[in-house]
Amino acid sequence: DAGVIQSPRHEVTEMGQEVTLRCKPISGHNSLFWYRQTMMRGLELLIYFNNNVPIDDSGMPEDRFSAKMPNASFSTLKIQPSEPRDSAVYFCASRNPGRGGMTLHFGNGTRLTVT
Amino acid sequence: AQSVTQPDIHITVSEGASLELRCNYSYGATPYLFWYVQSPGQGLQLLLKYFSGDTLVQGIKGFEAEFKRSQSSFNLRKPSVHWSDAAEYFCAVGPFANSGNTPLVFGKGTRLSVIA
Repeated sequence: DAGVIQSPRHEVTEMGQEVTLRCKPISGHNSLFWYRQTMMRGLELLIYFNNNVPIDDSGMPEDRFSAKMPNASFSTLKIQPSEPRDSAVYFCASRNPGRGGMTLHFGNGTRLTVT
Repeated sequence: AQSVTQPDIHITVSEGASLELRCNYSYGATPYLFWYVQSPGQGLQLLLKYFSGDTLVQGIKGFEAEFKRSQSSFNLRKPSVHWSDAAEYFCAVGPFANSGNTPLVFGKGTRLSVIA
C-alpha cells in the first residue's frame, strides 16, 4: 500500500500564476478529500468527491479554486490566478467507507508559497 | 451542526510525564471518533479510533483514548511521554455509517511540546 501520494511536495510561485496540485488516492478508495491547513484557520475542508463525483465544494474559498477527479486514481486542485493569501499546506486524503470504515488516510501535503 | 473542541492550543510536558489531551464534540448521537497526529512536515497519521464497543481504545505509539458519552468527550492519554511525541494532535468526529459518506470534522489541534 503506497499511501496517498501528493505532488509536488513544495511549490513556490508568483502571484497571478496558475498552480496545480496533484493527488493519487489509495487504490480502491472511492472517496477523496482536499483540505487546506493554515496557522490561522487550522484544517479546512475544501471539497470532496465520492466515486469521482464532486459532492460538496462549499469550502472552496473562491472561483479561483477548482478541483477535478477525472478517474478513480487521480485528482487535481487548481488555483488560477494564485494570490499570497493562498499560501498554505494542501492535503489530499482518501478512504473507502465500505472497507476500513470512515478512517481518512492523508498524503504528506503540498506546501504552497505564493509571493 | 457537529463540531469538535480542543480547548488546549499548546501543552508542554516533561519527558516521562503523563499526558492527557482534551477533546469535546457536539453531535446528534454517538459518532465515530478519531485522534490523528501530525509531525512537522508530514501528513496526519491515525493514532486510534472509536466506532463502538469498549469505550477505552488503544492506539499506536502507546496512546489510548476513552469515550465518555455523558461528557461528550474523547480524551487522549499516554502514561509516559517520549520526546518523539512532540507533534500536533487532532481530534475528529465522523458520521454514522448510515448517514452517508460525509467528511470528518476536525478540531483545531493541540500542539504538544516535550521538554527534558
